[in-house]
Amino acid sequence: VQVVESGGTLVKPGGSLRLSCAASGFIFSDYYMHWIRQAPGKGLEWVSYINGVGSVQYYGDSVKGRFTISRDNAKNSVYLQMSSLRAGDSAVYFCARDRGSPGCPDCFSGTFDIWGQGTVVTVSS
Amino acid sequence: DIQMAQSPSSLSASKGDRVTITCRASQSIGSYLNWYQQKPGKAPKLLIYAASSLQSGVPSRFSGSGSGTDFTLTISSLQPEDFATYYCQPSYSAPWTFGQGTKVELK
Repeated sequence: VQVVESGGTLVKPGGSLRLSCAASGFIFSDYYMHWIRQAPGKGLEWVSYINGVGSVQYYGDSVKGRFTISRDNAKNSVYLQMSSLRAGDSAVYFCARDRGSPGCPDCFSGTFDIWGQGTVVTVSS
Repeated sequence: DIQMAQSPSSLSASKGDRVTITCRASQSIGSYLNWYQQKPGKAPKLLIYAASSLQSGVPSRFSGSGSGTDFTLTISSLQPEDFATYYCQPSYSAPWTFGQGTKVELK
């Protein structure tokens, strides 16, 4: 069971970037997925989630209107499209699986049980 | 949003010490509280969920307690591999936040 992020790089302010997260070892479509970020030397900030079928998305206030989460269950992948990037978006971006709720197939728990190693996004001119 | 006040922000301890970290929520969250461990350059790892349930594979020296607004993570006998930063996280409702972290260092 694992998730692996990719796509992080150096990007100029105002630019766009798409992060990817490839999952394996579990039935991907059964789980909500999240993006969580960590600025250098700082704590953790939850960014966004998407439900198992991709019909429900939710965002933190700091990224709402600029970031879009999506998923392709045929490819066992979740994505984060980031636009209008700012220096404050510089961070390690983690993909994480939601643990889910027993007996509730389309529920989230807000508990992040599987994390990737992260991908680094640097926004700088 | 639910805010968490985590304390202390750092502590120094020796191998074998009993270590306690606390989190206080800005409102009652029942038992919707998780604890994570993060080592430098690594992803966080889920230790405790639902305030007191041990995640599979986590050593039994880790335990969690509390409900409502006050929660505690206890390491009963600190091991060398436990030196890390620990975060609490309320899972009560989105958007989710994290405590500011407690760095456990070698004395």
